[in-house]
Amino acid sequence: SQTIHQWPATLVQPVGSPLSLECTVEGTSNPNLYWYRQAAGRGLQLLFYSVGIGQISSEVPQNLSASRPQDRQFILSSKKLLLSDSGFYLCAWQSGSGSGELFFGEGSRLTVL
Amino acid sequence: AQSVTQLDSQVPVFEEAPVELRCNYSSSVSVYLFWYVQYPNQGLQLLLKYLSGSTLVKGINGFEAEFNKSQTSFHLRKPSVHISDTAEYFCAANSGGSNYKLTFGKGTLLTVNP
Repeated sequence: SQTIHQWPATLVQPVGSPLSLECTVEGTSNPNLYWYRQAAGRGLQLLFYSVGIGQISSEVPQNLSASRPQDRQFILSSKKLLLSDSGFYLCAWQSGSGSGELFFGEGSRLTVL
Repeated sequence: AQSVTQLDSQVPVFEEAPVELRCNYSSSVSVYLFWYVQYPNQGLQLLLKYLSGSTLVKGINGFEAEFNKSQTSFHLRKPSVHISDTAEYFCAANSGGSNYKLTFGKGTLLTVNP
């Protein structure tokens, strides 16, 4: 069966520090991968998606970036965090041959101080 | 562009009461519809989905939803809720296929009170 893991689960970082959140999927090949963010009291905001290695599409301008160095690995990064980067980050995968549903990881809670 | 509207941001109910969470979508083509549940500090979990066929879809935890094409709605229902159903619920849609991004509603917070 397919599984998705994100880490770290929680992170407290000072303003201006770098960020790296990692997501890996197991049990499937060539998935579409997504990064979402939930700010307090808000819905889901799509940040990035990827349909293959090295292929990244950005949905909103921001100081975050994403990379997909391997087929089942998706990384969210920042060189210098802002207060507004605080939130709950969710990674998700989508089968390349399914009905389009997303399968989500457990989430990473980022607090920028 | 696809859009999904969840008409209620918060729905408080008492335990064992029925509940309906409303969702409307806009699409000029065929659409796949989904309901997800999110418990505090967790990821989203798929409750149910509509792809085609029967308009009444049954999901996990006793939830069901009805696809209504004429009203472009996909409302989620449960005949008797439990305290443990307290969570955020998201409706989502895409225009079909596996390489399409889902469009999510803003979510409905269901609070079940004793």
